[in-house]
Amino acid sequence: EVQLMESGGGLVQPGGSLRLSCAASGFIFSSHDMNWVRQAPGKGLEWISNIRTSGDVTNYADSVKGRFTISRDNAKNSLYLLMNSLTAEDTAVYYCVRDNAVLTGYYFFDYWGPGTLVTVSS
Amino acid sequence: EIVMTQSPATLSVSPGERATLSCRAGQSINRNLAWYQQRPGQAPRLLIYGASTRATGIPPRFSGGGSGTEFTLTISSLQSEDFAVYYCQQYHNWPPLTFGGGTKVEIK
Repeated sequence: EVQLMESGGGLVQPGGSLRLSCAASGFIFSSHDMNWVRQAPGKGLEWISNIRTSGDVTNYADSVKGRFTISRDNAKNSLYLLMNSLTAEDTAVYYCVRDNAVLTGYYFFDYWGPGTLVTVSS
Repeated sequence: EIVMTQSPATLSVSPGERATLSCRAGQSINRNLAWYQQRPGQAPRLLIYGASTRATGIPPRFSGGGSGTEFTLTISSLQSEDFAVYYCQQYHNWPPLTFGGGTKVEIK
């Protein structure tokens, strides 16, 4: 069974930093591209970042480019998101998400973690 | 960036009735569209990809259609567990991967 479990969320002050982690199990982690998707309270879904299997290629939404860094450790079956220069607009539930590209060549999202809440407030 | 627009924002339907949700892309995306269901307090779940292919374990009352810029998700006979928010997502051209704003299906 595919499982994704985020951790590291919490309350952080504006301008601060936070590192999210995602532990993956039930599939060959190193064979799948991975993503972070967020959802502000009461709002819709926003894709924010993707990382290819080897970690050498990354993509970001403009809203986080230059502030957030996605990375992975295939030996630990783990995905990370380092978030710097946080603002209130970054307050959201952050989901760790597997995409289907390795199986179909297409970037839709087939498995989601339960999410971790990040609150940016003074 | 490909903008995805969903309508209506809220759909009121009685249990057992049919619901049809719409998603429009700002430019042609062929059939590179997925639908997700999000129940309250839960993560989204993949329903449909390739505009019309049901994901594993999704019941046949869910069906998707369309191509190019116009897409629909139809729930043939609403069950209690189907009252949720539904999102479409394009993966034709990225970054960024983009979602529609969602349609909430509520009990009438």
